[in-house]
Amino acid sequence: DVKVTQSSRYLVKRTGEKVFLECVQDMDHENMFWYRQDPGLGLRLIYFSYDVKMKEKGDIPEGYSVSREKKERFSLILESASTNQTSMYLCASSSPRQGSETQYFGPGTRLLVL
Amino acid sequence: KNEVEQSPQNLTAQEGEFITINCSYSVGISALHWLQQHPGGGIVSLFMLSSGKKKHGRLIATINIQEKHSSLHITASHPRDSAVYICAVRAGGGADGLTFGKGTHLIIQP
Repeated sequence: DVKVTQSSRYLVKRTGEKVFLECVQDMDHENMFWYRQDPGLGLRLIYFSYDVKMKEKGDIPEGYSVSREKKERFSLILESASTNQTSMYLCASSSPRQGSETQYFGPGTRLLVL
Repeated sequence: KNEVEQSPQNLTAQEGEFITINCSYSVGISALHWLQQHPGGGIVSLFMLSSGKKKHGRLIATINIQEKHSSLHITASHPRDSAVYICAVRAGGGADGLTFGKGTHLIIQP
């Protein structure tokens, strides 16, 4: 079974803090994604990575950066958290080798920025 | 940028009813996904389609590439089917992320 884990289910941070959200997958997937989900807006792509040390901007990268030093780990970084970054953050992974490119999602991290 | 529209936004039905959720998109795609999200946030991939029809248990997904439209059907609906159903499309053949619809909130009453 594919497993995608995220470091925290709930996180409370203060404005201006640096925040790290970690995602780990155990199926040797090449592709990893970070999304945020907001009421009325649905899920939106922040960044994705198709290989170690590679990253591509998604639809809403402003205020975020990412790091992929190892294949199994994809980190989302909020350099200086702001209240408008309060959201549910979801990580996903997929592999073109499996032919279907089904995305497997982690359980999500609910971030509150005060 | 692809626009993904789902209908209805909310749907309440009685147990046993046949359910249809619709998804339309504006630009040609390489694949369309149907996802299910239960309260608490966990998202599960139900189907990935690039043409035709797929069936898994009581769930059926169809796609019409020419009309840029997909439907998700649930036969003999059950309260445990209550969830948010999300349509998502991928434009390219690479590792591009998905573009999502806003979801359909389904409630099946006993």
